[in-house]
Amino acid sequence: DTGVSQDPRHKITKRGQNVTFRCDPISEHNRLYWYRQTLGQGPEFLTYFQNEAQLEKSRLLSDRFSAERPKGSFSTLEIQRTEQGDSAMYLCASSAGTNSVAQYFGPGTRLTVL
Amino acid sequence: AQKVTQAQTEISVVEKEDVTLDCVYETRDTTYYLFWYKQPPSGELVFLIRRNSFDEQNEISGRYSWNFQKSTSSFNFTITASQVVDSAVYFCALSEAYLNYGGSQGNLIFGKGTKLSVKP
Repeated sequence: DTGVSQDPRHKITKRGQNVTFRCDPISEHNRLYWYRQTLGQGPEFLTYFQNEAQLEKSRLLSDRFSAERPKGSFSTLEIQRTEQGDSAMYLCASSAGTNSVAQYFGPGTRLTVL
Repeated sequence: AQKVTQAQTEISVVEKEDVTLDCVYETRDTTYYLFWYKQPPSGELVFLIRRNSFDEQNEISGRYSWNFQKSTSSFNFTITASQVVDSAVYFCALSEAYLNYGGSQGNLIFGKGTKLSVKP
């Protein structure tokens, strides 16, 4: 059984550039979540999808952030005009069902904005 | 508001000692779910346990045990006879069933984590 995978694992970019991350959930998991984790903190929710529908977005998700999940399979998270404050670990998780079940996390993408 | 508090930022023990990680939560929902995750130095969050608000039975899994007390809104995690491989950051998290109180039906609310160091 393949777990959640994320690509790339590390991304270094210059301020103002756009970046895109990809997440492949566990097969047949209908829910997919994006979180952000900064040093010394727990993960903070950004957004989630049920199948291809984006059902909720956190206030942390500014207009520079956009996420998609075409066809309800993999998902992409794009950050436009990156800022140094965007430097963080971006985590993807998936689950089979509602919020009552466990979410399984990928290894994350560590973003560094110079 | 929903909140998870892990008051212990860092704990250091010597191998074979027992250690308890504290978790206190706040929610107005009557139906909710509590989780513990482990984040080893490699960085990937590993699911350990899920508990729903109607099940206050304690649970034991090998050297791990969990104590859920609704009266004190706590969901504590004990590692018995700790080992070096237990060294990690442990997160407690809350998920709510309903949107009654402005919460989210989709996400986990994490505490700030407790860093456990087990020394040989």
